[in-house]
Amino acid sequence: AQSVTQLDSHVSVSEGTPVLLRCNYSSSYSPSLFWYVQHPNKGLQLLLKYTSAATLVKGINGFEAEFKKSETSFHLTKPSAHMSDAAEYFCVVRVKAAGNKLTFGGGTRVLVKP
Amino acid sequence: KAGVTQTPRYLIKTRGQQVTLSCSPISGHRSVSWYQQTPGQGLQFLFEYFSETQRNKGNFPGRFSGRQFSNSRSEMNVSTLELGDSALYLCASSLGADAYEQYFGPGTRLTVT
Repeated sequence: AQSVTQLDSHVSVSEGTPVLLRCNYSSSYSPSLFWYVQHPNKGLQLLLKYTSAATLVKGINGFEAEFKKSETSFHLTKPSAHMSDAAEYFCVVRVKAAGNKLTFGGGTRVLVKP
Repeated sequence: KAGVTQTPRYLIKTRGQQVTLSCSPISGHRSVSWYQQTPGQGLQFLFEYFSETQRNKGNFPGRFSGRQFSNSRSEMNVSTLELGDSALYLCASSLGADAYEQYFGPGTRLTVT
């Protein structure tokens, strides 16, 4: 079975400062990993995905994540936060043996202060 | 290309009733998955359909069921509603059975009173 742990339920940053959202995963198989963002009253939008190619993955809106197998981590970063980044972020794991089933972390709510 | 659409967007039902939610995937997508999102349990997988067949099922009681039609549209049904079924129900579509990217709809907010 696979699982995902997001280490922070809330993160508060000032506009223009870096953002770091931490994620650890557990999987018996080689996983695919994703970060999704959910703005209030909206569905989920895919930010980026890791599928066993490059370990440093670039996504939309300036976000990137690094897959570290030795640490079973997939942390999300952005060099400079924008007010529009205020949302909830989900780290997600998928293993091929489970078809298209996604397993979600508990989410990290990001607050951006002006 | 139009995104994933879900209807209705909001629904209020009474305990004991049943409800049907609908999801229309992106044109050409053949896989549809359903998820329940609650503040307490987070996002949990309900089931996945591909080519009208259920491929995968999460740990939900039999009151939760679904189906997929030949045009890939999907419905989920919840019978004998309980207060704890109040949630945002999200539908996601993907191109195929093992596609990496899933695209989510805006969800249906179900409130059970």
